[in-house]
Amino acid sequence: GAGVSQSPSNKVTEKGKDVELRCDPISGHTALYWYRQSLGQGLEFLIYFQGNSAPDKSGLPSDRFSAERTGGSVSTLTIQRTQQEDSAVYLCASSSNPGYGYTFGSGTRLTVV
Amino acid sequence: DQQVKQNSPSLSVQEGRISILNCDYTNSMFDYFLWYKKYPAEGPTFLISISSIKDKNEDGRFTVFLNKSAKHLSLHIVPSQPGDSAVYFCAALAPPGRAQKLVFGQGTRLTINP
Repeated sequence: GAGVSQSPSNKVTEKGKDVELRCDPISGHTALYWYRQSLGQGLEFLIYFQGNSAPDKSGLPSDRFSAERTGGSVSTLTIQRTQQEDSAVYLCASSSNPGYGYTFGSGTRLTVV
Repeated sequence: DQQVKQNSPSLSVQEGRISILNCDYTNSMFDYFLWYKKYPAEGPTFLISISSIKDKNEDGRFTVFLNKSAKHLSLHIVPSQPGDSAVYFCAALAPPGRAQKLVFGQGTRLTINP
């Protein structure tokens, strides 16, 4: 695609429910990143994919968070048993050269009530 | 452990004047630095970058300065325009072979007043 696409753009969920966030990277981009921005905070790294493998998942806040990438393309970030502190904007980025030339999607705004 | 810090959460500048956004980092292994700009409800977009072998990079109204000894970089925008109002993020990258991810600062909200 022309850009990085994320869905849904907004998600309101009840505390304790599971949510799935989706990212469609730019075609051909082998590197994919998930970040989140909590209110008043910077961009917090969550996980990095190179192809389908995740060499760096050091930013995942807890074992309630997981992510996968299939076919070297689409990635899903799953949050189980959501908590209010999970409320944030979740941003996905892709690049053809790891670390450089990130293109970000518009993000998914997650609100846990 | 905040490796990249933007200590000013907000900055207000009059249109036509110079905007200076600052960023400090702690990890001496960082060798490439970038600035991103973010409008509300949009993802960050790349603005300008600088390699650690340089101390200045200029692109139109935007100039980034790097002071390696002080572990400090700054973004200058001159002249500032109303469309420059956005949140600006500083980011840093470690050399290849290490963690291949950008580390971002907290962001500075720039407001350009007409």
